[in-house]
Amino acid sequence: NAGVTQTPKFRVLKTGQSMTLLCAQDMNHEYMYWYRQDPGMGLRLIHYSVGEGTTAKGEVPDGYNVSRLKKQNFLLGLESAAPSQTSVYFCASTNGGGLNQPQHFGDGTRLSIL
Amino acid sequence: AQTVTQSQPEMSVQEAETVTLSCTYDTSESNYYLFWYKQPPSRQMILVIRQEAYKQQNATENRFSVNFQKAAKSFSLKISDSQLGDTAMYFCAFMKLFRDDKIIFGKGTRLHILP
Repeated sequence: NAGVTQTPKFRVLKTGQSMTLLCAQDMNHEYMYWYRQDPGMGLRLIHYSVGEGTTAKGEVPDGYNVSRLKKQNFLLGLESAAPSQTSVYFCASTNGGGLNQPQHFGDGTRLSIL
Repeated sequence: AQTVTQSQPEMSVQEAETVTLSCTYDTSESNYYLFWYKQPPSRQMILVIRQEAYKQQNATENRFSVNFQKAAKSFSLKISDSQLGDTAMYFCAFMKLFRDDKIIFGKGTRLHILP
């Protein structure tokens, strides 16, 4: 079972470059999330989606955009990368709707901005 | 807004000992979930245990158990007979029921199990 797959696993960017992180889940989950993890900060929610075609801001949305054109995919975009966006990014998904289902996490993407 | 506080940034215990990780949270909600996630060096996020706030009985999963004190807004994790494989970051987390299922994480406790 693939579960939640994040692509790529590692990436180094220069300041000002753009890129898109892909999250794909094969569990037919409605809800998907993007987090960033920084030392001493735990996981902080960037953006999330409660269904195909919908997105919403989380705790730290600035500098990021997302899209959920297909139910199984949730894309995280950095239009103009900044060193402050150096982090490990996690995607997660769940059935949602208070169904007592835990969030399933991907393995993370380590992103370094030089 | 909900907050989750883990007051122990790092802990070390000997193998086979019992260790308790602390977590407190703040919310005005009456119905919610609480979780403990484990993140080993492999970086995976692994759900260890969860507790529904409306259940008074403390959740247990093999060697892992919680002490849930709703009035005190406390949710500690006890690991019995600790093993080397328990070495990891542990995150306490909160989720409101029947909303958007957003999870609020604490900053984590790094646990070292010593041989």
